[in-house]
Amino acid sequence: GAGVSQTPSNKVTEKGKYVELRCDPISGHTALYWYRQSLGQGPEFLIYFQGTGAADDSGLPNDRFFAVRPEGSVSTLKIQRTERGDSAVYLCASSSIAGTDYNEQFFGPGTRLTVL
Amino acid sequence: SQKIEQNSEALNIQEGKTATLTCNYTNYSPAYLQWYRQDPGRGPVFLLLIRENEKEKRKERLKVTFDTTLKQSLFHITASQPADSATYLCALVRGGYNKLIFGAGTRLAVHP
Repeated sequence: GAGVSQTPSNKVTEKGKYVELRCDPISGHTALYWYRQSLGQGPEFLIYFQGTGAADDSGLPNDRFFAVRPEGSVSTLKIQRTERGDSAVYLCASSSIAGTDYNEQFFGPGTRLTVL
Repeated sequence: SQKIEQNSEALNIQEGKTATLTCNYTNYSPAYLQWYRQDPGRGPVFLLLIRENEKEKRKERLKVTFDTTLKQSLFHITASQPADSATYLCALVRGGYNKLIFGAGTRLAVHP
């Protein structure tokens, strides 16, 4: 009965580098979300997957950000040419949307990304 | 523009009292509203959901109200305990969408 897991828990990188952040959702959850949380703020939506496809990517800030979920379970958030402003905690959440509008989301502990 | 506002200042209360947290929103018509708890270094944890056609929802010591005319939700913790100290986030969901739109959260500190 594991919850949502995210790796790494911390990532320090240099400006301009490429990073990948991984999310393992709860088994059987078809919906997966990525959020970004800056200090003192609430999580900010980035992208939502239903199965393998990105159903809503309206929160991705620019084309340096990309996410995949090729087999409908694990997802990877990819950031190219990182900038200092990308520093934040990246949260992943999953939910089971089983024919209802009930949308409790289960969050992982997050990956703290620091861009130097 | 669309906004969700929560008390920006920390709320300090004495153990045993009722904590009341406020969530106001503008320019949204949410289908439902959720409250989450977040502890330092952790992801948010779901507490309660209330739908637009519901006025009040309770769960143990927690109570949420939702007034779509005032565009406001109130979150109450009765008989508060030091273990209730955390940041509490409200989040809206618009009908037909799945993403959560969060407020900035209110930090609650319950003192013995």
